[in-house]
Amino acid sequence: QVQLMESGGGVVQPGRSLRLSCETSGFTFSNHPMHWVRQAPGKGLEWLAVISYDGGSHYYADSMKGRLTISRDNSKTTLYLQMNSLRPEDTAVYSCVRGMVRGIGLDSWGQGTLVSVSS
Amino acid sequence: QTVVTQEPSLTVSPGGTVTLTCASNTGAVTSGHHPGWFQQRPGQAPRALIYSTSNKHSWTPVRFSGSLLGGKAALTLSGVQPEDEADYYCLLYFDGARLGVFGTGTKVTVL
Repeated sequence: QVQLMESGGGVVQPGRSLRLSCETSGFTFSNHPMHWVRQAPGKGLEWLAVISYDGGSHYYADSMKGRLTISRDNSKTTLYLQMNSLRPEDTAVYSCVRGMVRGIGLDSWGQGTLVSVSS
Repeated sequence: QTVVTQEPSLTVSPGGTVTLTCASNTGAVTSGHHPGWFQQRPGQAPRALIYSTSNKHSWTPVRFSGSLLGGKAALTLSGVQPEDEADYYCLLYFDGARLGVFGTGTKVTVL
């Protein structure tokens, strides 16, 4: 079945960088656009970024534009999120989400990895 | 800044019907926003229910349906079950479906 497993979270000081990974299995990764979504503690969902199936296009939410880079390695069926200049308000659970091949939407979510930005 | 707004909370009786809505501060929500709906139970990852306004995933219970209603996207739960108690989020796409914006979320209580 479809599996999405995020890693790379942890405690990081303000201003530092972090790279998250999302290892996938159970589906043809190279066919699907992929997204990152985050959820701050006790708050709602926030869409962050999307990358096309082949990595040729990527788009970012204005809230973190300039500090995020989404990328993928289709040979490793893995999605990445590079986050720079982290701030305390970036503290959240970061989840990778599979985009649909036919139609526009999200269909499968990982459990997420917690990033805590604190000195 | 684009803001997508949902009712903060709704209460429904078991077996009843409730409709959640999703509005955009940029104007009427249309099929071009490809509205999606997600359910999140406490401590769990979100689960996709609806995509592109009214299309269901293979796992979506029949009692969930999506539509457009008065310039908003809507999710209707008919014959509500106790396990439907959860937070629900809509997702709208903008800028040629390049950018997504989640709604503020609705907490549904079954009482």
